[in-house]
Amino acid sequence: KNEVEQSPQNLTAQEGEFITINCSYSVGISALHWLQQHPGGGIVSLFMLSSGKKKHGRLIATINIQEKHSSLHITASHPRDSAVYICAASRRETSGSRLTFGEGTQLTVNP
Amino acid sequence: DTEVTQTPKHLVMGMTNKKSLKCEQHMGHRAMYWYKQKAKKPPELMFVYSYEKLSINESVPSRFSPECPNSSLLNLHLHALQPEDSALYLCASSRVDMGLAGYEQYFGPGTRLTVT
Repeated sequence: KNEVEQSPQNLTAQEGEFITINCSYSVGISALHWLQQHPGGGIVSLFMLSSGKKKHGRLIATINIQEKHSSLHITASHPRDSAVYICAASRRETSGSRLTFGEGTQLTVNP
Repeated sequence: DTEVTQTPKHLVMGMTNKKSLKCEQHMGHRAMYWYKQKAKKPPELMFVYSYEKLSINESVPSRFSPECPNSSLLNLHLHALQPEDSALYLCASSRVDMGLAGYEQYFGPGTRLTVT
């Protein structure tokens, strides 16, 4: 069993739909990260959260520490949201931060 | 400046070649990372440098040799690679502060490496 599990693996939506991607983790963490990767490679950090909820534009991330679960929501989805969304758990170490990645969710938003 | 830059963007090399990948950041981050990413898979951590010293080596073969000449630069020297080493190589950087719950990592665009 992976330490960080995401669902679904693939998600197809119509433009305007509300999208939820889920992440469960089994290890003690210092923070939970949501990352976005577009075709071509570069990874962008969307959120880093250790409790509660964060919002940025149409993106909302929540975390429930007791249940070891986090969700990423996209409201009013748009084709430009099509990307791979990766959940990662970090544990603080003196050397920085080691990320344990989920397998990613491929999101396709059709016009 | 919140950018991590990587050069080159693409690299094709033969199994007997020696090449280097370069990564640079000017955010004052003292932790820098190399990741390897195969298609449709998440990144795999290779190395972590903290305060210019190698702190984590995830049992990476010696044909990959990292170097951190100063706090802004990170290199990955490649020698005698195999075709299965073809992948996207990502660099990232972050703060190293014990008071925080975690550290956001800033990723570069990656170098797409093909070994022929």
